[in-house]
This record gives sequence, C-alpha cells and structure tokens, in this order.
Amino acid sequence: EPEVTQTPSHQVTQMGQEVILRCVPISNHLYFYWYRQILGQKVEFLVSFYNNEISEKSEIFDDQFSVERPDGSNFTLKIRSTKLEDSAMYFCASSEAGGFGYTFGSGTRLTVV
Amino acid sequence: GQQVMQIPQYQHVQEGEDFTTYCNSSTTLSNIQWYKQRPGGHPVFLIQLVKSGEVKKQKRLTFQFGEAKKNSSLHITATQTTDVGTYFCAGRGAGGTSYGKLTFGQGTILTVHP
Repeated sequence: EPEVTQTPSHQVTQMGQEVILRCVPISNHLYFYWYRQILGQKVEFLVSFYNNEISEKSEIFDDQFSVERPDGSNFTLKIRSTKLEDSAMYFCASSEAGGFGYTFGSGTRLTVV
Repeated sequence: GQQVMQIPQYQHVQEGEDFTTYCNSSTTLSNIQWYKQRPGGHPVFLIQLVKSGEVKKQKRLTFQFGEAKKNSSLHITATQTTDVGTYFCAGRGAGGTSYGKLTFGQGTILTVHP
C-alpha cells in the first residue's frame, strides 16, 4: 500500500535554530497538509497546499513557518527560529483529491531544547 | 472558529463489550471523517460521511452522521483487543472548499481489557 514518508523520525534542536521537516507524499496525490500533535493532545491543522501554493493556513502557521514543494516529490515544512512550544509530533498528510480521506505519514517528533 | 468536541475522553471496556464515541461540531459540516491512531502511531483514515443522516458500516464499526450535519458517532460492537487506540473525528466546515482544513476532535482513547 502506498505510504507517505517523513524524515527524520526524530529531531532534537536548540531553541532559535531552524529546522526542516521532510515529507514525500503519495505520488498521485494532489493535496498536501501539515498537522501537528502535542503529546497527548488533538491533531491540529497547520497548512494545506495545492497547485503549488498554500490554500489555507491556521493561526499557528505564522511567519516562522513556511512550506515548499521544491521538486515533484518532496514537501517540506521549515520552522525558521524554533521555540520550546514548537515541540510536537509533526504529521504530513496527502489526499488524492479534494474531499477524500488523508493518508498520514509516521510523523517527525520535534523536540526543542 | 469551528470547534469539534468529542466525548468521552477515555473509555475502558472489557473485551466483548460495545463502545461508542460521540462528536459534535459548533458549526454545520460538509463532511466528517473518522481516524484511528494506535499508541505511538499516526492517524489512519477509517471513513468519510457526507450526507445528512448517513450510516455506514465496516464490519463491527458503525458510523453515523446527524441529520443536521453537526454531529456524528462511531459505535464498535463486541470490542476486541485490536480495537485499542484513539479514535478521532475530523470535520470539514460547510461552505469551504472540498479540500479545506479538517478540524479534529480531542479523540477518545479506548482501552480494551481481555
């Protein structure tokens, strides 16, 4: 079964450092998303991406965050200057078409120290 | 903004007992999806409901979407230890795009005692 691949699985970074989280969505999917989940809490929407541009973003997704699809396969989330409160599991997801269910990756656990 | 509430937060059952989790949205939804997350895992898509009053079944799982498209439920008959995990509902607000954001509920953590 096709998978969404995320790397790294775990990233530890110092406060103020930049991090890039990487995702390879399913190849024929057109819609891409980033969500995050603080330990034990609900899954929170960050951003959706379609047709090479951001289609929607949440209040969490401020100027410190950016997304890119640098080539035909990768989808990245960059946090420019990490804060302690950015520590969470970050999930990439993709869907084949609008209104379809999402396929989530296994996540990147980001720990900011 | 849109809020999705889910109850109960925790449910402990004996194997063989039934389980139900309920989801309520503060606004009308265009559709609602259900996901299961095993401990330490990622959310896995179970089903999507679109029509008012829709009922769908997957083996022992029954999903319902309310008539007003503001609430939903997931019922598991005769739970098994493999049902352990967190069940999330996730709603998409009416009037937005078909690929608009999903707002997740807090999830119901199900534990099943053998």
